[in-house]
Amino acid sequence: EPEVTQTPSHQVTQMGQEVILRCVPISNHLYFYWYRQILGQKVEFLVSFYNNEISEKSEIFDDQFSVERPDGSNFTLKIRSTKLEDSAMYFCASSVQGAETEAFFGQGTRLTVV
Amino acid sequence: DQQVKQNSPSLSVQEGRISILNCDYTNSMFDYFLWYKKYPAEGPTFLISISSIKDKNEDGRFTVFLNKSAKHLSLHIVPSQPGDSAVYFCAASLSGTYKYIFGTGTRLKVLA
Repeated sequence: EPEVTQTPSHQVTQMGQEVILRCVPISNHLYFYWYRQILGQKVEFLVSFYNNEISEKSEIFDDQFSVERPDGSNFTLKIRSTKLEDSAMYFCASSVQGAETEAFFGQGTRLTVV
Repeated sequence: DQQVKQNSPSLSVQEGRISILNCDYTNSMFDYFLWYKKYPAEGPTFLISISSIKDKNEDGRFTVFLNKSAKHLSLHIVPSQPGDSAVYFCAASLSGTYKYIFGTGTRLKVLA
């Protein structure tokens, strides 16, 4: 069964360092998303991406964040200068169409900023 | 601004009985609703969805009911199994947009 895959599963980084989280969406999906979940809190929307551009972003997704689809398969989230409060599980998701169809999520990357 | 709310943080049910998880929303424009199941340290797994043109959708042991006038949806699991123990999130979206808004989750524990 096709699935969304994320790497790495766990990333530890020093505050102020840049991190890149990687995702391979399901191959025939056209819409891609990043969400995050701080421990014990709700799953929060960060950004959606379609046709090589950002479709929608939340107030969390400030200038420190960027997304890219560098090739035909990968979808990345970059955090330029990490802060302690960026520590969270980051989930990538993809869907065939927009938010009127179901999104499938990856297993997540646990980001720990120390 | 919590547009999607799950007011019960936890629920315990005996194996074989029905589990009912509830979700309320405030935005009457939402037209697509989903339920996800999540185990610790894993991503949300899609369970079932419903469009606002329907009031019920069934898939095996899972049934979602939508009451648009009350802005309420519920997920019924019958019969409940110990493997169903997880956190369940409802989510809502609006056609033509590009995000799903999640509730805070309900932790279901199915007791053997």
